[in-house]
Amino acid sequence: EVQLVESGGGLVQPGGSLRLSCAASGFTFSSYDMHWVRQATGKGLEWVSGIGTAGDTYYPGSVKGRFSISRENAKNSLYLQMNSLRAGDTAVYYCAREFEVGAFDIWGQGTMVTVSS
Amino acid sequence: DIQMTQSPSSLSASVRDRVTITCRASQSLSSHLNWYQQKPGKAPKLLIFAASSLQSGVPSRFSGSGSGTDFTLTISSLQPEDFATYYCQQTYSTPWTFGQGTKVEIK
Repeated sequence: EVQLVESGGGLVQPGGSLRLSCAASGFTFSSYDMHWVRQATGKGLEWVSGIGTAGDTYYPGSVKGRFSISRENAKNSLYLQMNSLRAGDTAVYYCAREFEVGAFDIWGQGTMVTVSS
Repeated sequence: DIQMTQSPSSLSASVRDRVTITCRASQSLSSHLNWYQQKPGKAPKLLIFAASSLQSGVPSRFSGSGSGTDFTLTISSLQPEDFATYYCQQTYSTPWTFGQGTKVEIK
C-alpha cells in the first residue's frame, strides 16, 4: 500500500525548533518530488516546501530562511526542520507526493504543530 | 506570487444537483491547475490534475475545464459523499498556491 506517515509534531514555544518526519512506503521514494503543506485550524491549505529528486529545494517567502526540507532516500524519509517558530506556524502539517505537473496524489494523515507559550 | 480566487466561498446544494465551482488566477497558468476535495479531519484528495485530467479512481461525475486564468470544477450530479470543501491549486510557478476553498453543504 502506498502510504505516507508523518511524525514529530507537538507543542513548542515561540522561537523554538521542531523537526517533522514523513515515512514513505509502497513506492520508489527516490523517484518522486516531495512536499510539505500546512493547514491552520479552520483555514485553507498553504504549501510550505518542496524537494526534487536531485535534492533541489523550494520555499515560499513566509518560511524561507526558517524552514529546511530534506530527504534521506535510503530511509524512504522526508524531513522538515522548522526554526524560529511563530504562533502563525501553528497548523497541521502534511507531507505529500508530487504526481504530475505538480499535483499531489498521495498525502499523509498530518501532524499537529502548536506554537504557544 | 500568483493569487488564486475561488467562487463561491460556500454553496448549498441538494443531492443530484449540478454544481460548478470557479477558480480564477491572477496570471495565466496555461493548464497547471489542480483540484482537491477535503473532508473534515482528513487530508486533501486529488480529483483533477492539469485542469481537466481525472485522477485514477475518482468518479466520472467530477470534471474540470479551463485554461489560462479561468478554471471550473463541475460535479454533474451531487452525491451525499461529495459534501466537502474543494480547493484549486496552481503549479505554474513557485510558490505554489491554493484557492481559499469552497465549502459544499447540504441544502
